[in-house]
Amino acid sequence: SQQGEEDPQALSIQEGENATMNCSYKTSINNLQWYRQNSGRGLVHLILIRSNEREKHSGRLRVTLDTSKKSSSLLITASRAADTASYFCATALFSGGYNKLIFGAGTRLAVHP
Amino acid sequence: DAGVIQSPRHEVTEMGQEVTLRCKPISGHDYLFWYRQTMMRGLELLIYFNNNVPIDDSGMPEDRFSAKMPNASFSTLKIQPSEPRDSAVYFCASRAIQKDNEQFFGPGTRLTVL
Repeated sequence: SQQGEEDPQALSIQEGENATMNCSYKTSINNLQWYRQNSGRGLVHLILIRSNEREKHSGRLRVTLDTSKKSSSLLITASRAADTASYFCATALFSGGYNKLIFGAGTRLAVHP
Repeated sequence: DAGVIQSPRHEVTEMGQEVTLRCKPISGHDYLFWYRQTMMRGLELLIYFNNNVPIDDSGMPEDRFSAKMPNASFSTLKIQPSEPRDSAVYFCASRAIQKDNEQFFGPGTRLTVL
């Protein structure tokens, strides 16, 4: 099964509300990243949090990491219609001398005007 | 910078035909990755290269799939022969060794095998 699993699978909110997405993983990681994918497009990197960090901010994004629970959350504050996209967590695993990313199944976020 | 470039953007072919997907990574990036995305299986890492050398191809589903990186600015993913279950969006991504693991994705190639 996949290393990272997002929850919920789909989220529908109104503009201005906050959106929270969660990610759980199974093995030890070097870092965890969140990506966004707009429909029909490639993934875009949003934010990276290292295994020794607990919280990180970037604009309207806030990411937390709890390595004891092997979980992370992504909070988007004051959401906008343009935030409508799929959001993926990706865990960085050190394998064979290199870091590789394992992506979760994603959360589909719909923000309604 | 033009970002990661993939071609073609869409490919429709018939079962049994050979398919070649192309990727040009961002100049100066040391790593190149090929992913496949489907509704059923999500985003799967197929293979990745470091300095043009294949490092991990454990995600390549079958011998029908092969990937090459003849130089730092070009990679191909070939499927021969193609099957309907290969229908998916194939992404290429690259990253620089100094940038942790931040990967830059191309727009993808949507492959349909009839």
